[in-house]
Amino acid sequence: ETGVTQTPRHLVMGMTNKKSLKCEQHLGHNAMYWYKQSAKKPLELMFVYNFKEQTENNSVPSRFSPECPNSSHLFLHLHTLQPEDSALYLCASSQDTGLADGSETQYFGPGTRLLVL
Amino acid sequence: TQLLEQSPQFLSIQEGENLTVYCNSSSVFSSLQWYRQEPGEGPVLLVTVVTGGEVKKLKRLTFQFGDARKDSSLHITAAQPGDTGLYLCAGGSQGAQKLVFGQGTRLTINP
Repeated sequence: ETGVTQTPRHLVMGMTNKKSLKCEQHLGHNAMYWYKQSAKKPLELMFVYNFKEQTENNSVPSRFSPECPNSSHLFLHLHTLQPEDSALYLCASSQDTGLADGSETQYFGPGTRLLVL
Repeated sequence: TQLLEQSPQFLSIQEGENLTVYCNSSSVFSSLQWYRQEPGEGPVLLVTVVTGGEVKKLKRLTFQFGDARKDSSLHITAAQPGDTGLYLCAGGSQGAQKLVFGQGTRLTINP
């Protein structure tokens, strides 16, 4: 139990559906992240939020829309996805932003396994 | 663009054997983290190294940061089935929040 929860754990959706992924952290952290994990590829950072403000958008297609209403909650809204978007979507949080040596620990949730048909 | 290459990508060995996993880059990193990810879970931090040449031990796991801070290794002594998982290295840079991840080494320890 890392203190970061994600729901749902599994999701199957059609290309015309709209769904949302939810992440909640109970660690009092100020930064939250969305990652995409695909087979045989490195973890891909999608979005970063600090104090509810988006500070990083890693050229993510607009069919992925993040929302961060407060420092504890992060959503990823999905619409008109493609089959190649099928992957494990991981949420993470960390305490501070940009420690001097980049050594800040990120705490990950268990992920949402997404399948787009 | 900073990249981290991990090798091998897959490793399957018998219980009791030793192994080493490598994480290499042409870029310098301020810090290097190792995570382990088990099926159905997210990655969990094992260790962070921040000084060139630094060695850290965690029971049977030994982590080393290269002198030039461009590479790292993870050595496991007398591997056990509980060591099975995906091992990820991640590089951090000064003042940056973003971590650069390697593609991972999937380790299987057979009883």
